Amino acid sequence: TQLLEQSPQFLSIQEGENLTVYCNSSSVFSSLQWYRQEPGEGPVLLVTVVTGGEVKKLKRLTFQFGDARKDSSLHITAAQPGDTGLYLCAGPTGGGNKLTFGTGTQLKVEL
Amino acid sequence: DAGVIQSPRHEVTEMGQEVTLRCKPISGHDYLFWYRQTMMRGLELLIYFNNNVPIDDSGMPEDRFSAKMPNASFSTLKIQPSEPRDSAVYFCASSWGTSGGADTQYFGPGTRLTVL
Repeated sequence: TQLLEQSPQFLSIQEGENLTVYCNSSSVFSSLQWYRQEPGEGPVLLVTVVTGGEVKKLKRLTFQFGDARKDSSLHITAAQPGDTGLYLCAGPTGGGNKLTFGTGTQLKVEL
Repeated sequence: DAGVIQSPRHEVTEMGQEVTLRCKPISGHDYLFWYRQTMMRGLELLIYFNNNVPIDDSGMPEDRFSAKMPNASFSTLKIQPSEPRDSAVYFCASSWGTSGGADTQYFGPGTRLTVL
């Protein structure tokens, strides 16, 4: 079973601070995705990374796929309260379109 | 354009009762997924369908759980009989299925199930 461990599990910061969330596995993934889930809603895709070493930017969010395609990170610059939510990484497993989701990082950004 | 629709949004029932959760995927999507989310276990895949056919049900916890997809626009997840440990948020998601594992999955708002 391909597991995805995320760290930290919980993160509470002040508006304007920077942060990094990690997604690690002992297995190689053909791609990794990052989703954000707000309270009372389903997860929403933020980005998909498919090439080892790839870096993608989405406004203040920077995503990186590890060179060996076993890990990924999400860096948020100058966090805002609107960034609050559960961040989930996910990778394809078992062939087909099946996804395994990571353990999640709950982020709270306070004023 | 409507997203994935789930009903009911909230369900409270008593142990032993039958529970049916409903999902309408995004029109044209070939894949439909049922997930369960709890604090302890996170987001777990229960079963997924491709073109209305169940492909992988290895995540279904036990025989009390069953899922059907009678047509491309409707799926149900049934729990009979329900138990308190089934309390969770159940999500339905759908995708095009054109990019393999790199496909975007579109999630519904979820059904919060409480079994007393």
